[in-house]
Amino acid sequence: EPEVTQTPSHQVTQMGQEVILRCVPISNHLYFYWYRQILGQKVEFLVSFYNNEISEKSEIFDDQFSVERPDGSNFTLKIRSTKLEDSAMYFCASRPQGRNSPLHFGNGTRLTVT
Amino acid sequence: AQRVTQPEKLLSVFKGAPVELKCNYSYSGSPELFWYVQYSRQRLQLLLRHISRESIKGFTADLNKGETSFHLKKPFAQEEDSAMYYCALRIQGAQKLVFGQGTRLTINP
Repeated sequence: EPEVTQTPSHQVTQMGQEVILRCVPISNHLYFYWYRQILGQKVEFLVSFYNNEISEKSEIFDDQFSVERPDGSNFTLKIRSTKLEDSAMYFCASRPQGRNSPLHFGNGTRLTVT
Repeated sequence: AQRVTQPEKLLSVFKGAPVELKCNYSYSGSPELFWYVQYSRQRLQLLLRHISRESIKGFTADLNKGETSFHLKKPFAQEEDSAMYYCALRIQGAQKLVFGQGTRLTINP
């Protein structure tokens, strides 16, 4: 069964550094998402992406964050200048066409900002 | 704002006992509700959704609009049901899922 894959599984970076989290969604999926989960807290929506543009974003997704689908297979999340509070598990998800189609999640990237 | 509440962070039951994981939501429109499960060292995966009205791995969930609830139930728990369970809501016209805090279910032998 096809899966959403995320790399790396764990990323350690220093405060103020840029970081790029990578995701390969399932190939025939059209909607792409990033969620994050700070340790001990809820899974929180960051952004959704459809037809090569952001379709929805949360208040968390400020100017420090950006997403890109550079080559038709990868879907990346960039944090320009990381802060300590960006430390979290970041989940990529995708889903096919269909209003009620479920999300398929990746295994997540654990980002640690020191 | 839309909110999903799972009042129990931890739930522990014995094998063979009934299980109910509670989920309440706040949204005035017609919601889409989901239960996601995360087994140890695995990814979040869909367990079931209210529109399907299906039973998956013996679990069912009924949307009660009057009580704004979508509790997950199973009559006889099995050890392999031990996992983290998340209730999630999607409102009409939106892309995002709003998740509850999650309930860690432990089935004791």
